[in-house]
Amino acid sequence: SQTIHQWPATLVQPVGSPLSLECTVEGTSNPNLYWYRQAAGRGLQLLFYSVGIGQISSEVPQNLSASRPQDRQFILSSKKLLLSDSGFYLCAWNVGLGQPQHFGDGTRLSIL
Amino acid sequence: KQEVTQIPAALSVPEGENLVLNCSFTDSAIYNLQWFRQDPGKGLTSLLLIQSSQREQTSGRLNASLDKSSGRSTLYIAASQPGDSATYLCAGYASGGSYIPTFGRGTSLIVHP
Repeated sequence: SQTIHQWPATLVQPVGSPLSLECTVEGTSNPNLYWYRQAAGRGLQLLFYSVGIGQISSEVPQNLSASRPQDRQFILSSKKLLLSDSGFYLCAWNVGLGQPQHFGDGTRLSIL
Repeated sequence: KQEVTQIPAALSVPEGENLVLNCSFTDSAIYNLQWFRQDPGKGLTSLLLIQSSQREQTSGRLNASLDKSSGRSTLYIAASQPGDSATYLCAGYASGGSYIPTFGRGTSLIVHP
């Protein structure tokens, strides 16, 4: 069966520090991968998605970036965090566009 | 651009009630619609997916329907239990192009004993 892992579960970072969140999927090949942010009182905001290694689509221009160095690995990064980057970050995957998405347990990011 | 609205935003009911959660979308050219459950501080758990050619899906005490012409989906929960307490989100997958889902903000459900 397929599983998705996200880490860390929680993270507290100072403003201006770098960020690296990692997501990996097991049990499937060539998944589509997604990064979302869920801010308090707001819906899920799609940040990036990838349909293959090295292929990244950005939905929202901001100081975050994503990379997909391996088939089942998706990384969310920032060089300098802002207070507004606080939130709950979720990684998701599916087997193809329009197919049901499956989510990881999320990373709670707090910026001080 | 697809917009998804969920009503009510919050709901508190006694155990045993049958519930209807509503999800409306603005673009009827929807590909699939998926219902999720989210427990506090956790990720989303998929409950049901209704494909564009279907009108409803059932899983245990859950039944979801899709009416593309009216731009509505409903999630019916039969005989609610305290363990059903969570936030329920719907997501509509746009047809054509990227098939990226648009999420509603969710309905926060509390079922009290």
